Amino acid sequence: AQSVAQPEDQVNVAEGNPLTVKCTYSVSGNPYLFWYVQYPNRGLQFLLKYITGDNLVKGSYGFEAEFNKSQTSFHLKKPSALVSDSALYFCAVRDPQSTGANNLFFGTGTRLTVIP
Amino acid sequence: EAGVTQFPSHSVIEKGQTVTLRCDPISGHDNLYWYRRVMGKEIKFLLHFVKESKQDESGMPNNRFLAERTGGTYSTLKVQPAELEDSGVYFCASSPYRADTQYFGPGTRLTVL
Repeated sequence: AQSVAQPEDQVNVAEGNPLTVKCTYSVSGNPYLFWYVQYPNRGLQFLLKYITGDNLVKGSYGFEAEFNKSQTSFHLKKPSALVSDSALYFCAVRDPQSTGANNLFFGTGTRLTVIP
Repeated sequence: EAGVTQFPSHSVIEKGQTVTLRCDPISGHDNLYWYRRVMGKEIKFLLHFVKESKQDESGMPNNRFLAERTGGTYSTLKVQPAELEDSGVYFCASSPYRADTQYFGPGTRLTVL
């Protein structure tokens, strides 16, 4: 069965510092991995995805994530945090070889606060 | 291009009442999904339409939930009768056929008192 773990409910980082939001996953096959962000009073916005190829993927707003198969991780990173990055971040996984292959399995979310 | 829209944005109802949520996907998207987030927990899949057909409804909690997608365009999710545990944020997402990325709407926050 597919699952996603976001071990940190809350991450605080000072503006200008690098940020990392952690995500680990469990699937039986090769995963499709996604990050979404939810700003206050807004819907989920797609940030980036890993399907195949280069393990380092770049996305919107300067975010990137690294797929690590041995550690089953897909951590979200940004070199220099902005106050406007403060939001709720969700990691999600799909297992295209499974029944229900189109469905996304989400983590519980990590609230990122960037302190000015 | 307009994104996924959902109506209403908030709904407060009493236990035992009926509520209908609506989702308008991005024009031309064959896939339409419903998800739900109960307070503080993960976002969970409810069901998946391809055009007007239900492809997968394995996530529907029970038979109090009924989803339809008329003519393969907009979709409705009816909860009848609503229970306290149905409270949460209901998200709709859509994607083109065979696409990997799902695009989400703003969600409907349902509160059952």
